Amino acid sequence: AQKVTQAQTEISVVEKEDVTLDCVYETRDTTYYLFWYKQPPSGELVFLIRRNSFDEQNEISGRYSWNFQKSTSSFNFTITASQVVDSAVYFCALSANYGGATNKLIFGTGTLLAVQP
Amino acid sequence: DAGVIQSPRHEVTEMGQEVTLRCKPISGHDYLFWYRQTMMRGLELLIYFNNNVPIDDSGMPEDRFSAKMPNASFSTLKIQPSEPRDSAVYFCASSDGYPLDGYTFGSGTRLTVV
Repeated sequence: AQKVTQAQTEISVVEKEDVTLDCVYETRDTTYYLFWYKQPPSGELVFLIRRNSFDEQNEISGRYSWNFQKSTSSFNFTITASQVVDSAVYFCALSANYGGATNKLIFGTGTLLAVQP
Repeated sequence: DAGVIQSPRHEVTEMGQEVTLRCKPISGHDYLFWYRQTMMRGLELLIYFNNNVPIDDSGMPEDRFSAKMPNASFSTLKIQPSEPRDSAVYFCASSDGYPLDGYTFGSGTRLTVV
């Protein structure tokens, strides 16, 4: 079965703090893709990053970085020097090929990040 | 490209009425997805299409829900009759079949059934 677990329901930090959002996934497939989406208070879902299962290189994009570890089935997201504008719900998601069904995107329950000024 | 376009943005209807949500995917994308977001259940996949053909509708909650994709540029999600528990935000997303650029979501339709 495919599953994404985001154990942190809510995180509150003060501006300029670093914060890591955890994501643990389950899949039996050897080929899969992991995603992070941001949902700001306005409600839209904004794509942040995609990684495939064959690329465990960490990625950095500005203040955002992602740590993918297949050994622990984790794909964690770190925001460095957080800002108030980072306040949002962040979703981790998994897309895998199983039973012939491809491209099905399974979401975690999301982590609400509140950055206080 | 204008992205995935959903209409209406907001819908308020009375219990028992028929509701139709609409989606226009990104041109050239051959996968289309309907998701529902609620506080209780989070983001759940209802149904998805590939080349206008429904591939997996196992997430459709019950027979009151139906979805169609008559052509590559248009899809509908219909609820008949609607119930208060259907109140949610419904998202449409499209993909080109290779998750290289992720899935592009529409702005969602916030449905309230009173």
